Amino acid sequence: RKEVEQDPGPFNVPEGATVAFNCTYSNSASQSFFWYRQDCRKEPKLLMSVYSSGNEDGRFTAQLNRASQYISLLIRDSKLSDSATYLCVVNMGTGRRALTFGSGTRLQVQP
Amino acid sequence: EPEVTQTPSHQVTQMGQEVILRCVPISNHLYFYWYRQILGQKVEFLVSFYNNEISEKSEIFDDQFSVERPDGSNFTLKIRSTKLEDSAMYFCASASETQYFGPGTRLLVL
Repeated sequence: RKEVEQDPGPFNVPEGATVAFNCTYSNSASQSFFWYRQDCRKEPKLLMSVYSSGNEDGRFTAQLNRASQYISLLIRDSKLSDSATYLCVVNMGTGRRALTFGSGTRLQVQP
Repeated sequence: EPEVTQTPSHQVTQMGQEVILRCVPISNHLYFYWYRQILGQKVEFLVSFYNNEISEKSEIFDDQFSVERPDGSNFTLKIRSTKLEDSAMYFCASASETQYFGPGTRLLVL
């Protein structure tokens, strides 16, 4: 089983749509969870951390379900500029600080 | 806003040559990392560095790789004898808590 698994997409949605991405992780001892965004041939950029209580940042909402080892990202009112690859990223814990990346879900927002 | 910088942005080298990739982390960060991303694949952890020593490394980080913090600002990744399969984007990251990534060095081994 992959350590961090995501649907690769692509998700093609019209502007203004709501889109949701899901991610599962294999290690129940994982401690920290993030969504990063990566534009083509660029570096990953932190979108938001993910907390058990759920958190929201403008149009973006992230949820964590530790029991199911599942992370989600919801984007409301999609903009053309949201087109990118969204990376689910996990710190597997047990003293490690290295990040484990999913392969990413590609989003294409269309006019 | 402070950011991680990396040089060069692109490097082309012949198989078997040594390359040094350079990074300037964010100044008050204490943890430094190298990751790589082969074209079309996911980002993979190579090594982390804290308190002037390697704190963690992956199975990718074999004897061909080394890291150094030669002064108070630079953080380098050396590949001693490059192979074709070392062709990738190499990202440096630094962290106090959250990891911030540099723009990467695209390495092409011919």
